[in-house]
Amino acid sequence: DGGITQSPKYLFRKEGQNVTLSCEQNLNHDAMYWYRQDPGQGLRLIYYSQIVNDFQKGDIAEGYSVSREKKESFPLTVTSAQKNPTAFYLCASRLDSLSYNEQFFGPGTRLTVL
Amino acid sequence: QKEVEQNSGPLSVPEGAIASLNCTYSDRVSQSFFWYRQYSGKSPELIMSIYSNGDKEDGRFTAQLNKASQYVSLLIRDSQPSDSATYLCAVFGNTGKLIFGQGTTLQVKP
Repeated sequence: DGGITQSPKYLFRKEGQNVTLSCEQNLNHDAMYWYRQDPGQGLRLIYYSQIVNDFQKGDIAEGYSVSREKKESFPLTVTSAQKNPTAFYLCASRLDSLSYNEQFFGPGTRLTVL
Repeated sequence: QKEVEQNSGPLSVPEGAIASLNCTYSDRVSQSFFWYRQYSGKSPELIMSIYSNGDKEDGRFTAQLNKASQYVSLLIRDSQPSDSATYLCAVFGNTGKLIFGQGTTLQVKP
């Protein structure tokens, strides 16, 4: 069964802690993306990767870090430097960065800072 | 000016009516256009893709693209209460990334 999985579904963090959100895909997609969505807001791009071992900052990368050591995995770390991390985090992937390819989303991780 | 603009709504239509959702974009070289549906608390789901001028139909959904006017729309025929959701317009431009609008909330009233 192909798709994008994200874990955990819900995550609670104390202030000052780093947490890592998992994103895995078995679609053989080259490009992967992390977005953040706040209540009633649109999607904001955090980081993206067009190929293994390479990634670029999106619009709101401060306080986040990523790695892309494997094609199928693109974990996101929310560091203690992120001032307001409570949000819905969405991972997405597409076959590659060519314009006509469709982009699909995982189910999301809802992070709450206590 | 935002790169992709949508009316936030809510757009309210009665059951069985046609819902018309609109989106404008600023990058003239944009090549591909997508509509996503997002139910409350869920992730976005791709429902339509359109790449050339004109209409593209898929079931009750029709996407319309007019590159000269930099305008893309989504029509939902025979609207059902289950269509109530936020609809996100996304445009692939020369940045190599999808740019999303803020979304339009659709309410279909029984």
